[in-house]
Parts: sequence; C-alpha cells; structure tokens
Amino acid sequence: AAGVIQSPRHLIKEKRETATLKCYPIPRHDTVYWYQQGPGQDPQFLISFYEKMQSDKGSIPDRFSAQQFSDYHSELNMSSLELGDSALYFCASSPVTGAEQYFGPGTRLTVT
Amino acid sequence: DQQVKQNSPSLSVQEGRISILNCDYTNSMFDYFLWYKKYPAEGPTFLISISSIKDKNEDGRFTVFLNKSAKHLSLHIVPSQPGDSAVYFCAAEWESGGGADGLTFGKGTHLIIQP
Repeated sequence: AAGVIQSPRHLIKEKRETATLKCYPIPRHDTVYWYQQGPGQDPQFLISFYEKMQSDKGSIPDRFSAQQFSDYHSELNMSSLELGDSALYFCASSPVTGAEQYFGPGTRLTVT
Repeated sequence: DQQVKQNSPSLSVQEGRISILNCDYTNSMFDYFLWYKKYPAEGPTFLISISSIKDKNEDGRFTVFLNKSAKHLSLHIVPSQPGDSAVYFCAAEWESGGGADGLTFGKGTHLIIQP
C-alpha cells in the first residue's frame, strides 16, 4: 500500500540558511500534518492543512511557514535556521479530519 | 506541561508473555486515543486507536483499554514477539472539536522483548 512520502530524507544546512521539506500524502488523503521530533523527545505538532487551508496550528515558529497545494502535497519552509532546528520532521496524512494519522519516514534536518 | 504521560521509559518482557504499556492524560477534552510503534530512523506506525465512547478495542494481538474516569489507557500485546521490540507512543486528540487537530504525544516507552 502507498505510504506518505517525504523528501529529502536527509538535509544539512548552515545557520541562517533556508530549507524546504516536501510531503506527499497517501492518495485520497486530504489532510496533512507536520511534526518536529527533537533528539530523545516526543513528536511535537507544528501545523495542519485540510483541503489546502490551514486547519490547526501548534508550536510552529514564526520563521517557519507551510502550505498545501492543489495536488494535496505540502511543503514546510524554514528560514533563518538555528542550531535548535536540528530534528526529525515528520509529515502525516489522514483521509478525513479526526481520523488516524499515518506518518511518513521523516526528514532529518541537521543545522551546523 | 506534559498532557500525555508515559511514566515507564522502558519495559522488558519475555517472548510469549503479555506486554502492558500504560499511558495517562490530564486534558479532559481529549476524546480519541492512539498508539503508535516506532523503530529508529522510521516514522511512527499506527497500531490501534480508541474513541472515548468505548472502553476497549481489540485488533489481533493488540488490545487497548480506556478508563475515562481515571484518565488512563493501556495497550496489551499478547503474545509478545521479538518484532514487537520498539518505542511505543501514546497519543491523544480532541476529535470532536473539529478541524485537523494535531496529536499530543507521550514521551514513549521502549519495549524490549527478551527471547
């Protein structure tokens, strides 16, 4: 069965640079969620989109923005990167809001 | 303030026996609970969920029990198998609040199945 696809899987950036993470949800899933997991931490919810509109907002820094496109894929844009942004970034999708969320393999971002 | 708590960072169980992972929550608005299994360098994999209108949900070797009055849920794995060794996350959401709510996760329990 098709799963959530995230790209790139690994990304190394320097401080103050920008990064763009991409997420392709499971086919026919219209809702996308972004999470950040720091070392030894639990995943923290950042933001979600339903039918291309922002739905819920968690602990997403102002330096980050995200959007969902007409084909339902989503991109997380991160600017002025800081060392503390180094983490695993997961995308999840669900077929309808409130249902189970299915996670992608994650993008490991390292900021040096 | 940790709204979903998994107080056992690790749990070791012998193969074939029952594994019981516990989770407590503080936010009474949570009405939908999920368990995820996670291997290193992979995303969390959905295992089983339960709505607050139920007190038990079963799927194969996995059973989740919910005690709303105690704000406590548990995941039972019977029988435990070596492939069950992973980190298990409890998660909760306010499903009836509408919108695509993010999940609130516990810090996870590392389950180790001993041969």
